[in-house]
Amino acid sequence: EVQLVESGGGLVQPGGSLRLSCSASGFTFSSYAMNWVRQAPEKGLEYVSVISSNGGSTYYADSVKGRFTISRDNSKNTLYLQMSSLRAEDTAVFYCVKSFGGVVYNGLDVWGQGTTVTVSS
Amino acid sequence: QAVVTQEPSLTVSPGGTVTLTCGSSTGAVISGHYPYWFQQKPGQAPRTLIYDTNNKHSWTPARFSGSLLGGKAALTLSGAQPEDEAEYYCLLSYSGARVFGGGTKLTVL
Repeated sequence: EVQLVESGGGLVQPGGSLRLSCSASGFTFSSYAMNWVRQAPEKGLEYVSVISSNGGSTYYADSVKGRFTISRDNSKNTLYLQMSSLRAEDTAVFYCVKSFGGVVYNGLDVWGQGTTVTVSS
Repeated sequence: QAVVTQEPSLTVSPGGTVTLTCGSSTGAVISGHYPYWFQQKPGQAPRTLIYDTNNKHSWTPARFSGSLLGGKAALTLSGAQPEDEAEYYCLLSYSGARVFGGGTKLTVL
């Protein structure tokens, strides 16, 4: 069974940094692209970022470009999202999502349960 | 960036049929937008229902189907059940960029 467990969320001050992790199991992690999708409180879904299976290709939404960095460690079956220069509008639940395939344009398959990031002073 | 539009809310009677749509500000939705549909129940993570217009996930009930209809992507629910009450989101791809619709709150009443 595919399992995705996010961690690293919490309360951070505006301008601060945070690193989210997503521990994956139940599938060959190194064969699949991975995504981050977020959801602000009482709002809809927003696509954040994707990384290819080998880490060679990435994509970022304009809203996070230059502030967030997606990465992965295939030896640890773990996906990361390094977030810096955080703003109040980054407050959201962040979901880790497995893709159907290994390239960045493969779609969204299985979702984790999410980790909450709150940016506030 | 393109804007993806969905009906804010819809209501369907138990056992009834309802169609949710997903439009694009750039024009007609085509298969090359690879439409996806997701279901999210209160307090839960979303789950993928339909991918690439009309393909069902292993857990997608047979009563859900996806299509292209009148220049939009469509999700049709035939024989609605109380457990189908949820928020439904569509997602379209634009040459790598991915944009979610605002979601449709479906009430089964």
